Amino acid sequence: GAVVSQHPSWVICKSGTSVKIECRSLDFQATTMFWYRQFPKQSLMLMATSNEGSKATYEQGVEKDKFLINHASLTLSTLTVTSAHPEDSSFYICSARQDSGANVLTFGAGSRLTVL
Amino acid sequence: GDSVTQMEGPVTLSEEACLTINCTYTATGYPSLFWYVQYPGEGLQLLLKATKADDKGSNKGFEATYRKETTSFHLEKGSVQVSDSAVYFCALSDQGNTPLVFGKGTRLSVIA
Repeated sequence: GAVVSQHPSWVICKSGTSVKIECRSLDFQATTMFWYRQFPKQSLMLMATSNEGSKATYEQGVEKDKFLINHASLTLSTLTVTSAHPEDSSFYICSARQDSGANVLTFGAGSRLTVL
Repeated sequence: GDSVTQMEGPVTLSEEACLTINCTYTATGYPSLFWYVQYPGEGLQLLLKATKADDKGSNKGFEATYRKETTSFHLEKGSVQVSDSAVYFCALSDQGNTPLVFGKGTRLSVIA
């Protein structure tokens, strides 16, 4: 079945540094990927829609200069948290929609970011 | 806008008990409905889905029926196991290239 790989699965960084998270569709092409953020014991909040070859579409309240999204190919999207602060600590999950087939998303396993 | 409301947890059940997690939705069109499961420390996995009214999705003993008249998609299982302990998310997606809208999740704990 469809697999989405997310890397790293967990990362600890110092405040002020930038962290890049990769999301790869391993066996299918995905023109569209989505980035979610999950707060403890809460649901997933959609951050942005990542479109291959064009700018990402950010949800209201999400800082695009803070959370840089690049969708360089049909199998790779990256989320860079710039100048990270402790309040950015969270679980970030990506998902990818197969270019062919039904409207079903495949999710990555998530990346837990801890900013000290 | 579209929204999903699911019952608050946590839900604690004994093994072999019956499970129902309620989910209702609000949507302008005719959405597809999904249940996702998140096991401890893992990402989300699709559990089941239904794309039109009266469809029943089923997987691993879980099932849910798309009820347009009550705008509901309740998750049910007749006999839960300890391995079913997880967080369950109800979600919807309007037709087309739109992202999922999630409910807040319901944590299920099954004890032996």
